[in-house]
Amino acid sequence: KAGVTQTPRYLIKTRGQQVTLSCSPISGHRSVSWYQQTPGQGLQFLFEYFSETQRNKGNFPGRFSGRQFSNSRSEMNVSTLELGDSALYLCASSWKTGNEETQYFGPGTRLLVL
Amino acid sequence: GEDVEQSLFLSVREGDSSVINCTYTDSSSTYLYWYKQEPGAGLQLLTYIFSNMDMKQDQRLTVLLNKKDKHLSLRIADTQTGDSAIYFCAESMGTDKLIFGTGTRLQVFP
Repeated sequence: KAGVTQTPRYLIKTRGQQVTLSCSPISGHRSVSWYQQTPGQGLQFLFEYFSETQRNKGNFPGRFSGRQFSNSRSEMNVSTLELGDSALYLCASSWKTGNEETQYFGPGTRLLVL
Repeated sequence: GEDVEQSLFLSVREGDSSVINCTYTDSSSTYLYWYKQEPGAGLQLLTYIFSNMDMKQDQRLTVLLNKKDKHLSLRIADTQTGDSAIYFCAESMGTDKLIFGTGTRLQVFP
């Protein structure tokens, strides 16, 4: 099976612009979560989608939004970019089987805001 | 509250065992995970343990869970230079929201 894929892998934007990142989960996985990783704050949960519905949301401003499509692919959008949004954005997909819960991460999209 | 702590650095000699420790505060955690991150890469799931287990072994990896002390450890036997990376522990409460630790940078020297 192919792993979690994220596009683009690298992105450079300027302050005030907006950006859309894409995540394709592992085939059969219905849950997609997004995380932001920065040197200062570490790994922080952004939101989780399951069957096109947001199930969980972290403590990020409304500039950060996401959605999930019927094929489980997900996008996240950041509007009015700030310098502090520079980070590695990681997407993870999962399924649950009995007592097993596995969450697999993609390679990430590295966003640089200038 | 949600808080997961790890020591920042660990340095071991090749061939020795490494033990990476993690403490968490939320006793309602259902799953606990260990992830590995190499430079410039995403997170690789190494292993996980359900909260009703005390120990899980997977080849060179052994996970120990002390639920009373909210302490999780990852032991890597016969540590190799390829094991050099940052290791994150994470907890979940049965949803897909993971709370990550700060990460432990493991350096393996010959």
